Amino acid sequence: QLQLQESGPGLVKPSETLSLTCTVSGGSISSSSYYWGWIRQPPGKGLEWIGSIYYSGSTYYNPSLKSRVTISVDTSKNQFSLKLSSVTAADTAVYYCARLGVQWLVRPWGQGTLVTVSS
Amino acid sequence: DIQMTQSPSTLSASVGDRVTITCRASQSISSWLAWYQQKPGKAPKLLIYKASSLESGVPSRFSGSGSGTEFTLTISSLQPDDFATYYCQQYNSYTLTFGGGTKVEIK
Repeated sequence: QLQLQESGPGLVKPSETLSLTCTVSGGSISSSSYYWGWIRQPPGKGLEWIGSIYYSGSTYYNPSLKSRVTISVDTSKNQFSLKLSSVTAADTAVYYCARLGVQWLVRPWGQGTLVTVSS
Repeated sequence: DIQMTQSPSTLSASVGDRVTITCRASQSISSWLAWYQQKPGKAPKLLIYKASSLESGVPSRFSGSGSGTEFTLTISSLQPDDFATYYCQQYNSYTLTFGGGTKVEIK
């Protein structure tokens, strides 16, 4: 059964870079059938797609975040990562990693990790 | 960019009620719409895909319909486990957009 697990600092200072890694187990990140993505949810608010990556390294980003986002993949470690630069309090959210299937259906999801931006 | 608008944002209902949630797309997305259920502190769970296809393991009281720009999620008889927040999601040209969510509360 495929599982995804987010990891990274739970607290980031304003203006710094948020960095998270998603480790995939129970399946290969190099499958040609799937993309891999990051989605976030500010406390008490809705879901926002951040971006997605294919195992080859092709990336797609939310236009509203594109200037600050970098998503990368490490197939040797079965991991993909998120970097979000110049963070502010508005970037405080639960960050989920997930697998994107046909028509980018999101399943499964990681459990999510809360990242707080505060000095 | 395609925008997804859900209504209502909050819905109060009783166990056994029939519940309908609407999702509208700012332009046609054919049938490329999914519905997710999210409970507090948990990741969302896929319920419906391609507008009306039921995900494996999801109770048959959940159903979806629609195409083009207007879609609905219906719960035929609300159960205690169904009180949660529901999101629609579209995929188009390598972008994902979620609706703002509908919280189903106990009346």
